[in-house]
Amino acid sequence: EDQVTQSPEALRLQEGESSSLNCSYTVSGLRGLFWYRQDPGKGPEFLFTLYSAGEEKEKERLKATLTKKESFLHITAPKPEDSATYLCASTQGGSEKLVFGKGTKLTVNP
Amino acid sequence: DTAVSQTPKYLVTQMGNDKSIKCEQNLGHDTMYWYKQDSKKFLKIMFSYNNKELIINETVPNRFSPKSPDKAHLNLHINSLELGDSAVYFCASSSRQGVEKLFFGSGTQLSVL
Repeated sequence: EDQVTQSPEALRLQEGESSSLNCSYTVSGLRGLFWYRQDPGKGPEFLFTLYSAGEEKEKERLKATLTKKESFLHITAPKPEDSATYLCASTQGGSEKLVFGKGTKLTVNP
Repeated sequence: DTAVSQTPKYLVTQMGNDKSIKCEQNLGHDTMYWYKQDSKKFLKIMFSYNNKELIINETVPNRFSPKSPDKAHLNLHINSLELGDSAVYFCASSSRQGVEKLFFGSGTQLSVL
C-alpha cells in the first residue's frame, strides 16, 4: 500500500534556528506531493503542491523541495508563529485519494 | 466568510446514539470529502463526493452514511455510535477531484462516552 512517512515526529527549535522536515513516499507514480500546516483546533491549511522531482516552491520562511523519493520542508530563521503541525500528503498512481503522513509537530521557542 | 464550515464544533454523546455532522462550502467546488483524524493525529480519508456522486468509499463501517443533497453540502450521519468513533472529523472540498489542493473545515470533535 502507498505510504507517506514523516520525520521527525516532533521538532523543537529556537527562534532563528533553521531546519528541515522530511517526507518520504513509496514510489508508485506520484501525481502530487502536498504540504499542509495544521494549528491546534483547526483544519489543515494548504501550503504547497509539488509535481515532479527537482521542483521547489517558497512562501515566506518556508521552502518545499521534491526528489524522486522524498520531499523536504525547509524552514529558514523560524519564528514562534511558525509553530504548528506540518502534514505531508501525496496522490499516487490512478488513485484519487490524498494519503497523509502523521505529521511533524514543530515548536519554535522565542 | 468561512469557506468550509461544519457544525457542530464539539459533539459529546453516549454509545449507541445516532448523530449527524453537517458541512457546507461556499467556494463553488465540485468535490467534497470527509476525513477522520484519530488521537494520534493521523488524518485518513473516509468518503469523497463529486457533484453529489460518491467517488471514494474507504473501508468505513456502514454505520457511517454520507449524504450530499447538493454539491455545496456533504453531511455525515453516524448510527449506533461506538467508543472507537471518538475522533475529530474534518470536512473538505476541492475544485475538482484528482490532484487538487483541499480546503478544510475547522473540524468536529466527537467524543463517545
